[in-house]
Order: sequence, then C-alpha cells, then structure tokens
Amino acid sequence: GENVEQHPSTLSVQEGDSAVIKCTYSDSASNYFPWYKQELGKRPQLIIDIRSNVGEKKDQRIAVTLNKTAKHFSLHITETQPEDSAVYFCAASVGGSYIPTFGRGTSLIVHP
Amino acid sequence: GAVVSQHPSWVICKSGTSVKIECRSLDFQATTMFWYRQFPKQSLMLMATSNEGSKATYEQGVEKDKFLINHASLTLSTLTVTSAHPEDSSFYICSARIGVSMNTEAFFGQGTRLTVV
Repeated sequence: GENVEQHPSTLSVQEGDSAVIKCTYSDSASNYFPWYKQELGKRPQLIIDIRSNVGEKKDQRIAVTLNKTAKHFSLHITETQPEDSAVYFCAASVGGSYIPTFGRGTSLIVHP
Repeated sequence: GAVVSQHPSWVICKSGTSVKIECRSLDFQATTMFWYRQFPKQSLMLMATSNEGSKATYEQGVEKDKFLINHASLTLSTLTVTSAHPEDSSFYICSARIGVSMNTEAFFGQGTRLTVV
C-alpha cells in the first residue's frame, strides 16, 4: 500500500520567515495530495490540495509543489504568523481507492 | 464547506464496558466514512473504512470484533468500542467525503477523546 513520509516532525520559525514541509510517497498511482492543518484540540481542516496533473498551486501565503517523477510534494508557507502554529499533515491517495494515507505530521511553531 | 459532526466529544468509561461514537454528515450524503485513531503527537492511523449498507473494511491489525462499525444510513456511521480497556484510550476521529468517484477533500468530525479507567 501507499507509504507517506513527512519531514520535519517539528519546525520552529520566527514570525515573518518562510516554512517548508516536505513529503514523499511510494505509490506512483497516487493522484491527489491534500494538506491539512490541525490546531490544538481541533479537527484537521484542509488548507490546500493538488492533483497529479498540476505541478504547483498557490493560495495567498500558502503554496504546494508536486514532483511526480521524484514522488515528493511540499508545502510552503511564506510570511508566517503566530496563528500558523499548528500540526500540518500531508496525505496522498490513489485513484480508485480514494483512501488518503497521512504523513506523521509536522508541528509548526511560529515565534512572535 | 461540508460539516461532519461527531458525538460525544469526550467520554470516560469503566474497563470492560462498551462505548458508541457517532459520526454524522450534516449537509451531505456520505457513502463512505473513515475512522481514525490518533495518539498524542502522532498521525492519523486509519482503522477502517465504513461503507453504507455493507460491511466495513478494516485495516491490518485492527480487531473487527472489538471495534464494531455500522453505517446504516448515508449520514450516520457509528464506532462501538467493545469491552474497552485502558489501552483503548485514545482520540478517535471520523471523516467523510462528498462524492464517490474521485479523490476529494475529507471533512473531519471534531473527534472523541476516550478515556478508559
């Protein structure tokens, strides 16, 4: 089955800096890659997603890139703010099964 | 976005008793719902995929007789932890997708904190 690796497990940045979280996946048939943000005590919520026919997608301060050849995708957050502090999960799902496999999560801490 | 409601948000039960957790899609029909277990500072571990009108599909290592899943309608799936023990204490969270035939966003319930004493 699909295996998703996520790094780093913890990321600490100063407010205003950029943050990058990287994920790799194993199944070349995966075609949907969502990113979820989970604040402490709350449910995960989608912040951005990308499909395999696109190499990059941007939404304000958040962007995601996908390299299908290397089987890795990354989340980029620019001009970080304290409210960006949360755990971020990447996921990959294979067309046909539609069951997402999650990475282990990255705890992002943005210091004011 | 779509809303998934999970109930209860927390429960404390005695060892040996059973606990039922409900997951409802409030404004859409969910043919498929997913049940996850999340340990502190860890990822979402898929336990089973719940399919309306049919048996759930359990992941390897998950005891189907211990974690009973019922998906009796297009808006409700339940997870029953039977004969709960302290090691079953965890955060359980469900999710559901709109649509069947393509990969789409998953909407999560607020989760249930189970503590077995």
